[in-house]
Amino acid sequence: EAGVAQSPRYKIIEKRQSVAFWCNPISGHATLYWYQQILGQGPKLLIQFQNNGVVDDSQLPKDRFSAERLKGVDSTLKIQPAKLEDSAVYLCASSPWAEPTNEKLFFGSGTQLSVL
Amino acid sequence: AQSVTQLDSQVPVFEEAPVELRCNYSSSVSVYLFWYVQYPNQGLQLLLKYLSGSTLVKGINGFEAEFNKSQTSFHLRKPSVHISDTAEYFCAVSLLSSNTGKLIFGQGTTLQVKP
Repeated sequence: EAGVAQSPRYKIIEKRQSVAFWCNPISGHATLYWYQQILGQGPKLLIQFQNNGVVDDSQLPKDRFSAERLKGVDSTLKIQPAKLEDSAVYLCASSPWAEPTNEKLFFGSGTQLSVL
Repeated sequence: AQSVTQLDSQVPVFEEAPVELRCNYSSSVSVYLFWYVQYPNQGLQLLLKYLSGSTLVKGINGFEAEFNKSQTSFHLRKPSVHISDTAEYFCAVSLLSSNTGKLIFGQGTTLQVKP
């Protein structure tokens, strides 16, 4: 079974530029999460999708961050414009369904963003 | 609101020595508890979790954790560590009543195993 795929693996941009990250979840997984992991901190949920609908985006900085999952499969997270404090690893995770035991939750390897 | 505190940011230990990574949580509602490991340049991998039942939970790679409700703790232990255990370890909680699966993570503990 293929895992959660993310690209690119690394990205370096200058502040005020835009950037996009891509996530391909495990086949058949309806629930998709984007977490932000700043150096020295634990991952923080940015947005959760159930199929192509947003379940929770309460911690997404909507003035600069956007995310979509148009066909309920792949997802894209965008930052425009980027700030220095956006430097972090962006983790994508997927699960067949959303439930608190997270029995079948899997994480991708992440995209490491450096904003200079 | 829920929060997770990992009491040590770094834990250096010699190979074959025992180790304990400490985790405390705060929540007004019941939670499930998790430990994840992150090896360099990799995603998070589940080590173990406590859902209910026995408070001593065994996970992969020889790790175990004990849930202590009165102290709201979920400390991770291993009796003898290997060089390959060098990694970042995260404690996390999710809400029993939640239908979202959202995880709230601690700040992480870097385990450095020395030869």
